[in-house]
Amino acid sequence: ETVLTQSPDFQSVTPKEKVTITCRASQSIGSSLHWYQQKPDQSPKLLIKYASQSISGVPSRFSGSGSGTDFTLTINSLEAEDAAAYYCHQSSNFPITFGQGTRLEIK
Amino acid sequence: EVQLVESGGGLVQPGGSLRLSCTASGFTFSNYWMHWVRQAPGKGLVWVSRIHSDGSNRDYADFVKGRFTVSRDNAKNTLYLQMNSLRAEDTAVYYCARGGADYQWRDLLDYWGQGTLVTVSS
Repeated sequence: ETVLTQSPDFQSVTPKEKVTITCRASQSIGSSLHWYQQKPDQSPKLLIKYASQSISGVPSRFSGSGSGTDFTLTINSLEAEDAAAYYCHQSSNFPITFGQGTRLEIK
Repeated sequence: EVQLVESGGGLVQPGGSLRLSCTASGFTFSNYWMHWVRQAPGKGLVWVSRIHSDGSNRDYADFVKGRFTVSRDNAKNTLYLQMNSLRAEDTAVYYCARGGADYQWRDLLDYWGQGTLVTVSS
């Protein structure tokens, strides 16, 4: 099983800050890494697919990068509405797996 | 607009059974792989099962293999998860999610339902 390890687990940030969340895979997964946002009491929403591809309707302040085993989700100029949990997910190897999540708190 | 609506959750005793449903609309259901993902209270996302667009191929996480069965009725645009021999550790919100239409995209989960809560307790 491909283990995805996110860091940090939790971050408290102020509006307009730049935030970086990392996801490291236990084996190479190419670019088959996706990012989701889950707000409290809501279902996950796809933010970025295949490491860096944008999703229609997602604000441009969200971007992704990386390949192989190391990936990054960047949120530029954080807004209050970005308070949520963020998960990475790999679709390269069976079974598909998720990172443990990163919770963002807005100060 | 793509919509996925789960139902069938509830309280069940250990060892009991439950069948979840996920009704799809806004897309051609019969063209897509479909998945079940669960989330225990306060915990992260865990993949449970997937099924090919025509039902011919089904896969499961090891911890549900032999207890859960995924199926679909493309005429009714509905995905199912039959859960037997339920355990306390199966307590979670169960989400259905749409995968890809093509084999290479099958595990990209682009739309999710709102989830249905399953509680296994005596």
